[in-house]
Amino acid sequence: DAGVIQSPRHEVTEMGQEVTLRCKPISGHDYLFWYRQTMMRGLELLIYFNNNVPIDDSGMPEDRFSAKMPNASFSTLKIQPSEPRDSAVYFCASSSGVLTGANVLTFGAGSRLTVL
Amino acid sequence: AQKVTQAQTEISVVEKEDVTLDCVYETRDTTYYLFWYKQPPSGELVFLIRRNSFDEQNEISGRYSWNFQKSTSSFNFTITASQVVDSAVYFCALSPDTGANSKLTFGKGITLSVRP
Repeated sequence: DAGVIQSPRHEVTEMGQEVTLRCKPISGHDYLFWYRQTMMRGLELLIYFNNNVPIDDSGMPEDRFSAKMPNASFSTLKIQPSEPRDSAVYFCASSSGVLTGANVLTFGAGSRLTVL
Repeated sequence: AQKVTQAQTEISVVEKEDVTLDCVYETRDTTYYLFWYKQPPSGELVFLIRRNSFDEQNEISGRYSWNFQKSTSSFNFTITASQVVDSAVYFCALSPDTGANSKLTFGKGITLSVRP
């Protein structure tokens, strides 16, 4: 398996622009997580899905952030409009309680977002 | 509320030295999981170990060993005979044991540098 695939790896955009980050989880994994990593706040869970359904979105910072999982093999995290404080590395991770055990996450390589 | 404290922020050792990374946690849950993840310079997070709160046996995997002490709420990680390839950021994490995937709370991480 190719692992969790994220795109783009790097994104530089200007304040006010829409940003879309994409994630393809490992086939067979029924949980998908979006995390954000910053120097100040460390790793924060933004939202996670189970079988394509959002379970907990309490970590989504504000209405400018939205996440979707239209099918088992694809998820997006959208920021509209983006702000400089959104600059961070965004990680997607997937897992399967049955295949891997609860909370054993496989992370993607991350998408580094810079908002100017 | 759950909390993970990694008081050490940066550690630097010379190759072949042993090094211990400390992790202290807080939780009101009676059952929970503890984890260690590694983030090498390439950026992705890699799962190292999961430990259930019922299992206080120490674990050894090659040069890696983990010491879980419920009495002191600690889950420390020791690398024996460190190597340059061990240079990374190491995260301790905690989740409730709900029988399914749930929110992982990460510590701030410890940056380990192993010098040749």
